[in-house]
Amino acid sequence: EVQLVESGGGLVQPGGSLRLCCVASGFTFSDSWMTWVRQAPGKGLEWVANINQDGSEKRYVDSVRDRFTISRDNAKTSLCLQMNSLRVEDTAVYYCARPPPRAVSPADDWGQGTLVTVSS
Amino acid sequence: QTVVTQEPSLSVSPGGTVTLTCGLSSGSVSINYPSWYQQTPGQPPRTLIYHTNIRSSGVPDRFSGSILGNKAALTITGAQADDESDYYCVLQMGGGPWVFGGGTKLTVL
Repeated sequence: EVQLVESGGGLVQPGGSLRLCCVASGFTFSDSWMTWVRQAPGKGLEWVANINQDGSEKRYVDSVRDRFTISRDNAKTSLCLQMNSLRVEDTAVYYCARPPPRAVSPADDWGQGTLVTVSS
Repeated sequence: QTVVTQEPSLSVSPGGTVTLTCGLSSGSVSINYPSWYQQTPGQPPRTLIYHTNIRSSGVPDRFSGSILGNKAALTITGAQADDESDYYCVLQMGGGPWVFGGGTKLTVL
């Protein structure tokens, strides 16, 4: 059974930093692209970033590029999202997700999410 | 900026059939790997369909994906009360970023 467990969420002031991580199990982590998706309170889903199997290819939504960094540690089956220069509009539940084979979708399996609140 | 469009809300009677659509402000969706997700309040999304018409593991066959004209479509046949949810589509843009639609709130009544 695929399991994705996020951690690291919390309350942070505007301009601050936070590091989210997701520990994966139940599949061969090193064979899979991985994705972060977020959802602001009461709003829809937004794709944030994804990373390929060896970390050599990373993509970001324009609104977080140059502020967020996605990374992975295949030995630890861990996916992380370093978030810097946080803004109020980054407040959201952040989901870690595993795409299906060949990454023909951003997500097939989802974690439960971790809440990030950016507020003074 | 490309916008992915969905109906804001739809309704269906129990046992009925409903089709939700997903379009692009410009261009065809057939090459954009449309996927569909279901979400109820307080829960993570659940993947229903990816790559236009491939059902995710465990998804019943009353959920089906297709292309209708210039749009991706999710059809629910034999609607049940617990199908009342928000439904999101997503499309890949130019082989790179993914863009979600705004979601469709489906009411079963």
